Amino acid sequence: GAGVSQSPSNKVTEKGKDVELRCDPISGHTALYWYRQSLGQGLEFLIYFQGNSAPDKSGLPSDRFSAERTGGSVSTLTIQRTQQEDSAVYLCASSRVRGQETQYFGPGTRLLVL
Amino acid sequence: KQEVTQIPAALSVPEGENLVLNCSFTDSAIYNLQWFRQDPGKGLTSLLLIQSSQREQTSGRLNASLDKSSGRSTLYIAASQPGDSATYLCAVTINFNKFYFGSGTKLNVKP
Repeated sequence: GAGVSQSPSNKVTEKGKDVELRCDPISGHTALYWYRQSLGQGLEFLIYFQGNSAPDKSGLPSDRFSAERTGGSVSTLTIQRTQQEDSAVYLCASSRVRGQETQYFGPGTRLLVL
Repeated sequence: KQEVTQIPAALSVPEGENLVLNCSFTDSAIYNLQWFRQDPGKGLTSLLLIQSSQREQTSGRLNASLDKSSGRSTLYIAASQPGDSATYLCAVTINFNKFYFGSGTKLNVKP
């Protein structure tokens, strides 16, 4: 079956603009995760959704970052007033049950803020 | 805060060698530990998932062990091949919903 998909694959934006990144999880997966990987850094957890429960936003680096998940499926990560330090690869993953099962990752969105 | 460390940061070996990648974590109260590989320009591929109650998992030429008490996991790759060249990441899950990743080991297997 189809894996996790993300769009766009690449995004170049100007400092101060807002961007939206999209994630389509594997069908039937109730858990969805967002991470980012900055150049030379390890993966950083951002936010986690489990079904229709309120998300765990503890990893979001600032209030410019927000995410939503509509209908328990597609998720959008929004970065407002982008800064150059937001440049990174943003990865989405999904799993069938929170924390208990293998996470399947999408190919990522490479964001460059000029 | 949980810290996950991977050693070495980079490793280059000739084809056919057996090798071990190391992952250590500071807080032993983990829920599970997962090993991934990351190929350039691609997303992560899950290799092995070890629950906290388990000691090891095997898949093909890969074997991962977990020692919670010492805060260590190892990924053993047998008979390495050039196609194994990638960055290998370990990640621990805390309390179902907190995830911490190491910075990875970049492996190069030379033909």
